[in-house]
Amino acid sequence: DAEITQSPRHKITETGRQVTLACHQTWNHNNMFWYRQDLGHGLRLIHYSYGVQDTNKGEVSDGYSVSRSNTEDLPLTLESAASSQTSVYFCASSPPGSQQFFGPGTRLTVL
Amino acid sequence: SQELEQSPQSLIVQEGKNLTINCTSSKTLYGLYWYKQKYGEGLIFLMMLQKGGEEKSHEKITAKLDEKKQQSSLHITASQPSHAGIYLCGADLGGAGANNLFFGTGTRLTVIP
Repeated sequence: DAEITQSPRHKITETGRQVTLACHQTWNHNNMFWYRQDLGHGLRLIHYSYGVQDTNKGEVSDGYSVSRSNTEDLPLTLESAASSQTSVYFCASSPPGSQQFFGPGTRLTVL
Repeated sequence: SQELEQSPQSLIVQEGKNLTINCTSSKTLYGLYWYKQKYGEGLIFLMMLQKGGEEKSHEKITAKLDEKKQQSSLHITASQPSHAGIYLCGADLGGAGANNLFFGTGTRLTVIP
């Protein structure tokens, strides 16, 4: 069955370290998204991509970057992790104009 | 997103009771997507509404989009413990479809057996 996976599911890192969260989907969807979920803020869009080599900044993109070298993957990189980036991160994908399908999430703690 | 308000923030109901969750926007809702999230898990798509006055139902859950397309409600009839979780509305505020959604802060539903 087609699916969307995220790894790792849990990550603890130290302030200042570079961290990369993986997102992989097997639906062949052009659109992929990264969100963070925090208490009181709901889901906020970090970056999104409409296809290979396409990336766009979302509402809270500072300190994050993405790259899209193929259809299946959109890794999210935290250049220099900060405690304010402690959060639960969700990846999603969608075909154009349809609902987004979400991954199981990655819980990131920055100490 | 401040452009999308969900109410109530939390809800505790006795099993068997009906309940309603609201999602309100100051802008036109070109599309409204309802999701459910269980603790520690991803979001599960429930329903999508696009037309003013539209109503959709699945099992005991009914979602409506008002005629002005600025408010949506999610109604659960005869609630069960399996309905417990966080309900989120996601809105297309720019007409780009699900390509760019703004999400509410969520409503945490607890159903007491």
